Amino acid sequence: SQQGEEDPQALSIQEGENATMNCSYKTSINNLQWYRQNSGRGLVHLILIRSNEREKHSGRLRVTLDTSKKSSSLLITASRAADTASYFCATDEGAQKLVFGQGTRLTINP
Amino acid sequence: DTAVSQTPKYLVTQMGNDKSIKCEQNLGHDTMYWYKQDSKKFLKIMFSYNNKELIINETVPNRFSPKSPDKAHLNLHINSLELGDSAVYFCASSPLRSGELFFGEGSRLTVL
Repeated sequence: SQQGEEDPQALSIQEGENATMNCSYKTSINNLQWYRQNSGRGLVHLILIRSNEREKHSGRLRVTLDTSKKSSSLLITASRAADTASYFCATDEGAQKLVFGQGTRLTINP
Repeated sequence: DTAVSQTPKYLVTQMGNDKSIKCEQNLGHDTMYWYKQDSKKFLKIMFSYNNKELIINETVPNRFSPKSPDKAHLNLHINSLELGDSAVYFCASSPLRSGELFFGEGSRLTVL
C-alpha cells in the first residue's frame, strides 16, 4: 500500500531560497523518515522523526510532524545547487516495513 | 568501502529469460530488503529478510524468488521475465530496531 504522498510533485526554486516539501499519510506510524535520491543513484537517509516528536533539525534541514493531521514537512534552508534531487518521505508501519511515497523532484536553479 | 553493493548495475535481457541480481552489505545489519522503483519513481517494497529469515513478501509474483545465504547477502532471482518487470531494483539493509535504511545504488533491469 502507498502510505506517504508528497506535495508538490515537482518544485523549482532559485539558489539561496528555502524549499518546503510536504508529506501526508493515512495510518498510524512509529516514525517518519525523509530520504534524498540523486539522479541515477540510491536513496540516502536524511532524517528520522518519531511519532512522539514534533520537530527535528539536522544542519539546513528542518522536519515537522503533525500526527493529528497525519502530515510532515521537510524544509531545506538556503538551498544550494547540490540539493537538486528527489526527496521521499517514508512511513514506518511496524514490522520493519518502510512505505515510500512518490517523491518531490526539487530543482535548484543557479 | 561500499556499504551496500549490488550487481549488476545494468541488465538488458529478452522477455522469457531468467536473471539474478546480487546484493551484499558489509554493515553487519540484520535486515535486508528488495525494493522496486518504477518509471514514475514510485518505490515499493518487495521482500524483507531478517537474519536469513523471510519476514515480508509483498504479493510479488512467484517468478521472483529471493535467497539469503547468510545475513550479509540477499539475492533476487527472476524467472520468465516480462516487460513489466523493467524497473530499477534497490537492495537495502537496516540494523535491528532502527528504522533507517541504507540503500545500494540500484540495478536497472530492462526487458525487451
